[in-house]
Amino acid sequence: QLQLQESGPGLVKPSETLSLTCTVSGGSISSSSYYWGWIRQPPGKGLEWIGSIYYSGSTYYNPSLKSRVTISVDTSRDQFSLKLSSVAAADTAVYYCARHVRSWYSFDFWGQGTLVTVSS
Amino acid sequence: QSALTQPASVSGSPGQSITISCTGTSSDVGSYNLVSWYQQHPGKAPKLMIYEDSKRPSGVSNRFSGSKFGNTASLTISGLQAEDEADYYCCSYAGSSTWVFGGGTKLTVL
Repeated sequence: QLQLQESGPGLVKPSETLSLTCTVSGGSISSSSYYWGWIRQPPGKGLEWIGSIYYSGSTYYNPSLKSRVTISVDTSRDQFSLKLSSVAAADTAVYYCARHVRSWYSFDFWGQGTLVTVSS
Repeated sequence: QSALTQPASVSGSPGQSITISCTGTSSDVGSYNLVSWYQQHPGKAPKLMIYEDSKRPSGVSNRFSGSKFGNTASLTISGLQAEDEADYYCCSYAGSSTWVFGGGTKLTVL
């Protein structure tokens, strides 16, 4: 059974860089059928797509976050990672990683999510 | 790229049908047959309910259906059940390998 698990610090200081990793188990990140994406949800608010990556390393970012976001992939470890620079309180959110079906243009498997709080 | 517009809340009684709308623009919802819908229970990750406007993934009840007309997509839940009470989000491909979500709709089963 496919599982996605986010990991990383739950507290980040303002102006610093948020770093999260998603570990994929029960399946290979190197499948040609999928992208791998990051989505976030501020407390009590809606979902926001951050970006997605293909196993080859091709990346796709939300234009509103593009200047601060870097997504990378490590196929040897079946992991992909998110870096968000210059964070502020508005970046406080639950961050989800998800499998992104290329042919469906939708997200069919999600991690449980991890809360990242930006505070000094 | 602006968020898609959904009603903040809808409600219905058990057994009834409800419809949640999702309005975008000719650059996203209106340009592609690529709207998906997600159900999210409190404290849980979203679950894919509908993809490509109207297709159901394996395991999703046929009480859930999707449709689209112009720039507005809709999710209909028939035979409403208590377990359907959740937040629902639409999402559309917006071109240039980008995706946009709606603001979410809280469904209350009375």
